[in-house]
Amino acid sequence: NAGVTQTPKFRVLKTGQSMTLLCAQDMNHEYMYWYRQDPGMGLRLIHYSVGEGTTAKGEVPDGYNVSRLKKQNFLLGLESAAPSQTSVYFCASSYSPERVGELFFGEGSRLTVL
Amino acid sequence: GQNIDQPTEMTATEGAIVQINCTYQTSGFNGLFWYQQHAGEAPTFLSYNVLDGLEEKGRFSSFLSRSKGYSYLLLKELQMKDSASYLCAAMDSNYQLIWGAGTKLIIKP
Repeated sequence: NAGVTQTPKFRVLKTGQSMTLLCAQDMNHEYMYWYRQDPGMGLRLIHYSVGEGTTAKGEVPDGYNVSRLKKQNFLLGLESAAPSQTSVYFCASSYSPERVGELFFGEGSRLTVL
Repeated sequence: GQNIDQPTEMTATEGAIVQINCTYQTSGFNGLFWYQQHAGEAPTFLSYNVLDGLEEKGRFSSFLSRSKGYSYLLLKELQMKDSASYLCAAMDSNYQLIWGAGTKLIIKP
């Protein structure tokens, strides 16, 4: 039972390049989330999805896009990377709706934008 | 605005007890969550409080006072493996989690 799996774990990009982070969960969870974590700050929600085919903006959505074509996968895209997007990105999933605050996190993806 | 406050860092001794406080201000309230995050790893769920009072789970307990907008996480019989950051998060009326910056707990032998 893998839980939540993120790929890649590490990536270095140049300003202006694009990339996609993949999140896969095998727990049949409805809700999925993308967060970023920066030093001295709390986790900030980028985008989330309440089910297959649906996405919604979180607290810091600018510069990111997402897709949830399959229930088990949630993709986060950066179309034109900027140094301000250097961060650790966490994908998470949760049951819905009664236990929506109990999140299961992936191991994180550390992104550096030069 | 919505805000979560918790101490940046705390130090405690192996075998002792430590209390990590968290105060919150949210638009509505649907629960208070604590997560543990070891350095370089993902956060893992520890506890959930939605009613006032103490919830005990082994060496860890979590307390909530909704009227005061206050919670604490109590760790007993500290072990070296408890060295980690502890994240407090409150759920608002839209069922969105508002996260604190975390409290780094250092355990000394």
